[in-house]
Amino acid sequence: GESVGLHLPTLSVQEGDNSIINCAYSNSASDYFIWYKQESGKGPQFIIDIRSNMDKRQGQRVTVLLNKTVKHLSLQIAATQPGDSAVYFCAENMSNDYKLSFGAGTTVTVRA
Amino acid sequence: DTAVSQTPKYLVTQMGNDKSIKCEQNLGHDTMYWYKQDSKKFLKIMFSYNNKELIINETVPNRFSPKSPDKAHLNLHINSLELGDSAVYFCASSHDLTSGRTNEQYFGPGTRLTVT
Repeated sequence: GESVGLHLPTLSVQEGDNSIINCAYSNSASDYFIWYKQESGKGPQFIIDIRSNMDKRQGQRVTVLLNKTVKHLSLQIAATQPGDSAVYFCAENMSNDYKLSFGAGTTVTVRA
Repeated sequence: DTAVSQTPKYLVTQMGNDKSIKCEQNLGHDTMYWYKQDSKKFLKIMFSYNNKELIINETVPNRFSPKSPDKAHLNLHINSLELGDSAVYFCASSHDLTSGRTNEQYFGPGTRLTVT
């Protein structure tokens, strides 16, 4: 399943499929990006980050892709599991700036 | 062993009351934050303290006053509560950004404030 375009608020994915969550960021001066996962009733949890000198970074079952030309960030989740159901946020940041700017969030629902 | 903790988790109160939310982190971080998350899940920064000094103060009503007694604690006091203050408030912390560190922030579990 994939959220296409600038941003879709919801994404429904079949268990076992790969998920792609997209995010468009606004500030061309941003050079650090984070993906957070927020489960129901909990705080946002760090998943993976990427600096602007990279275009791809992999973690455990997750990959973040950064396209600075079009100011686009994506999070790919391999073999989506029921525990991946949550709201996912992208956040952008400039060096030496304490302020993180969060995107609107995408709610991912995993179908059994 | 919770890294960032907040109390209380739920807070129900009437309009006009004054209430406080407490936050503590045991990560050794120098910087702490308060965020407000509305019903549409949008996260908005309110305040940030670095080494007990206020460094971010967004457009927030002056009924909201943060207090940092030390680097490990950042409390939020709200006077004269209004219906529109109902939201989930998150505390977060990060390292100081000097020495090239990234702004990776760790969040607490949140405090759901309901004003009736």
